[in-house]
Amino acid sequence: AQSVSQHNHHVILSEAASLELGCNYSYGGTVNLFWYVQYPGQHLQLLLKYFSGDPLVKGIKGFEAEFIKSKFSFNLRKPSVQWSDTAEYFCATMIKAAGNKLTFGGGTRVLVKP
Amino acid sequence: EAQVTQNPRYLITVTGKKLTVTCSQNMNHEYMSWYRQDPGLGLRQIYYSMNVEVTDKGDVPEGYKVSRKEKRNFPLILESPSPNQTSLYFCASSLYRAGANVLTFGAGSRLTVL
Repeated sequence: AQSVSQHNHHVILSEAASLELGCNYSYGGTVNLFWYVQYPGQHLQLLLKYFSGDPLVKGIKGFEAEFIKSKFSFNLRKPSVQWSDTAEYFCATMIKAAGNKLTFGGGTRVLVKP
Repeated sequence: EAQVTQNPRYLITVTGKKLTVTCSQNMNHEYMSWYRQDPGLGLRQIYYSMNVEVTDKGDVPEGYKVSRKEKRNFPLILESPSPNQTSLYFCASSLYRAGANVLTFGAGSRLTVL
């Protein structure tokens, strides 16, 4: 069974600091990768996705992620965070063989101090 | 506006009292799914449906039922709720693309079972 690991459960940083959230997955075949964000009290929103092509993916709100197949990783980055980036971030994978199920990591809570 | 609508948004109930959480989407999506979100565990899939009258179990189906009689609706039924079903529930939908669904999530339903 596939699994997704997010190693940082909580991250606290100041505005303008750089952010990198780690994500590793276990599936050895073709996998589609996602990052979702959940702002306080809100539903999940798609930040970015990777299906194929350029392994450096740009998403909304200045976020980007890099797919490194050899490391089974899909880390999320933002060069300079804002207070409004305070949220919980979820990495997720989808494989065709699993009925298009999104398998989520445990999430990383990010608190940006003003 | 394209959206996934869940009701109720908040519910407190008692052990054993049957309840239904409704989910409706207005995007003519074939694929619908239910997830539960628990701290530190991310989101886990309960059930999914690839089209009308086609449903299948996800990772944590015990204690839940679903039905898909119409394309737009995918209710989640708890026949005899127990305290371990206290959780935040999300319904999601998408067009079906093998291995490449991009889910739209509802706002969530917070359920407490006493």
